[in-house]
Amino acid sequence: QSALTQPASVSGSPGQSITISCTGTSSDVGAYNYVSWYQQHPGKAPKLMIYEVSNRPSGVSNRFSGSKSGNTASLTISGLQAEDEADYYCNSYTTSSTYVFGTGTKVTAL
Amino acid sequence: EVQLVESGGGLVQPGGSLRVSCAASGFTLSTYWMSWVRQAPGKGLEWVANINGDGSSIHYVDSVKGRFTISRDNAKNSLYLQMNSLRAEDTAVYYCARYGYYAAMDAWGQGTTAIVSS
Repeated sequence: QSALTQPASVSGSPGQSITISCTGTSSDVGAYNYVSWYQQHPGKAPKLMIYEVSNRPSGVSNRFSGSKSGNTASLTISGLQAEDEADYYCNSYTTSSTYVFGTGTKVTAL
Repeated sequence: EVQLVESGGGLVQPGGSLRVSCAASGFTLSTYWMSWVRQAPGKGLEWVANINGDGSSIHYVDSVKGRFTISRDNAKNSLYLQMNSLRAEDTAVYYCARYGYYAAMDAWGQGTTAIVSS
């Protein structure tokens, strides 16, 4: 049950697009289309941004999109805004019927 | 409005026990899988355990197996996490969360802090 691998930080200028990767194994990310993404601002609870790889919950901006290829999932933020500065975590269901989070990525708008 | 409110955190000595609770409102608890997720100070999120609607299916992360017990009382709209044989590395904010979508947690509480220290 090792954590999924994410880059520690990603930055971009306002208006640009950034992509956060989430690398797992054939026992988690690669096994199912059950990858979700969470946004967490400092001192706050996480917020669901993407579920089942690429679906957005109601109320989440369409600037957020998700995809997956093999054992790697990705979250793309288009038109980066200052309010997008936060920590982002991926999460995957596993073949052991458990879940595992990614290591987390700090997003900075330069 | 969906609400999850955790309580029960506090300071406990290594080897001690603590039970944290989560009060749910605004939805029918019995129809949802629920989970506990924790976050150590300055660290990332860690999935701890989950439980299905009637409590018949439960899963844990390896690091808490045999020490933590997740349970629920749907009649009281409450979720629990009994934590025994606590270690310093269990120090964290503990969040309860609802699986509103399959395999995704769409509602979270504000968290309750457990500190394991002598």
